[in-house]
Amino acid sequence: QVQLQQWGAGLLKSSETLSLTCAVSGGSFSGYYCSWIRQSPGKGLEWIGEINRSGSTNYNPALKSRVTISVDTSKNQFFLRMSSVTAADTAVYFCARASVVTPHFDLWGRGTRVTVSS
Amino acid sequence: QAVVTQVPSFSVSPGGTITLTCALSSGSVSNAHYPSWYQQTPGQAPRTIIYNTNIRSSGVPDRFSGSILGNKAALTITGAQADDERDYYCVLYIGSGISVFGGGTKLTVL
Repeated sequence: QVQLQQWGAGLLKSSETLSLTCAVSGGSFSGYYCSWIRQSPGKGLEWIGEINRSGSTNYNPALKSRVTISVDTSKNQFFLRMSSVTAADTAVYFCARASVVTPHFDLWGRGTRVTVSS
Repeated sequence: QAVVTQVPSFSVSPGGTITLTCALSSGSVSNAHYPSWYQQTPGQAPRTIIYNTNIRSSGVPDRFSGSILGNKAALTITGAQADDERDYYCVLYIGSGISVFGGGTKLTVL
């Protein structure tokens, strides 16, 4: 059964770079995009961006200037980097598998809580 | 950028029927936006319940259904149960690889 396991630093200071990893276990993500989504405290969900195995990416225009999503196919892992974080980036960050054929998120990681202090 | 709007909160009586909607600022929602719906318990990862407008995800009860109603995507819960009291989010695919979440609806069953 395919699972997404995620990890990364949970406490950052303003201006630092957020770095998270999502590992696909029990299968590959061939034919899918792997996405990052976040949820600020008490708020809704926000799509950050996605990448496929070939390294093709799509980003939320509002975050694009600070976000880089990359992939290591040899390890079945994909990564999120967000530069120059502020308190507004405090959130739970989810990785999710996205179907290409009918765009939707069909598998979710458990989330990583990231807190940015000033 | 396109904004996806959901009613922030809704109440339904146990056994009742409710329809949650999902609107797009730039115009009508259609099947081409591949509307999907997610159920979330606070503090947990979302669960996919509907995708491609009206396809139920595996294990989702048939009291959940999706559709296009007028110019909006819709999620209908028929025979609401206490366990349905969660947050519900829609997502629309707006093209160029970009997906947009709605703000979510907090459903109360009472």
